[in-house]
Amino acid sequence: DIQMTQSPSSLSASVGDRVTIACRASRSISTYLNWYQHKPGKAPKLLIYSATRLQSGVPSRFSGSGSGTDFTLAISSLQPEDFATYYCQQSHSTPFTFGGGTRVEI
Amino acid sequence: QVQLQQWGPGLLKPSETLSLTCAVYGEMFSGYYWTWIRQPPGKGLEWIGENIQGGSATYHPSLQSRVTISLDTSKNQFSLILTSVTAADTAVYYCARYDGANYFDYWGQGTLVTVSS
Repeated sequence: DIQMTQSPSSLSASVGDRVTIACRASRSISTYLNWYQHKPGKAPKLLIYSATRLQSGVPSRFSGSGSGTDFTLAISSLQPEDFATYYCQQSHSTPFTFGGGTRVEI
Repeated sequence: QVQLQQWGPGLLKPSETLSLTCAVYGEMFSGYYWTWIRQPPGKGLEWIGENIQGGSATYHPSLQSRVTISLDTSKNQFSLILTSVTAADTAVYYCARYDGANYFDYWGQGTLVTVSS
């Protein structure tokens, strides 16, 4: 299995801050990397796919970068509705695996 | 607009069989991988497996001996069967669509399944 490691596991930020979340794969996954936003009691929402591509309808303050084993999700100016848990996920090979999550809180 | 609506029992006893169903609305059933994912309390997301019309199912190796994902194309529904459950199977279970190339783009609302005697 490909292990996905996210850091940090949680962070505190304020509205307007720039936030970055890192994700590392245990071996190269090219750009088969997706990012999801998850709020309590709701289904996860796809934000970024193929490492850098913004899903339709997702605000442009979200961006993704990286390839191979190291990836980053950035939120350029944190908004109140962005406080949530974020997960990376590799779609290179089954079993598909997720990172442990990064909780973004005030 | 694609919608996934799921249902099933929320409380099971150890050794019982978990059964969940997910209905797909607003999109063709064929051509996509229909998937189950779970999240144990306080933990991250875990992919359980997938199936596709005309293809074969693929399961997480740790669950392969206990899990079945089946499709009912006449009803645009798919189901999860997990046998011999234990407390470790307590989780929120999500159905989801995998586009076959990259990502999970549509998800069900989630069902909390608790295994307790």
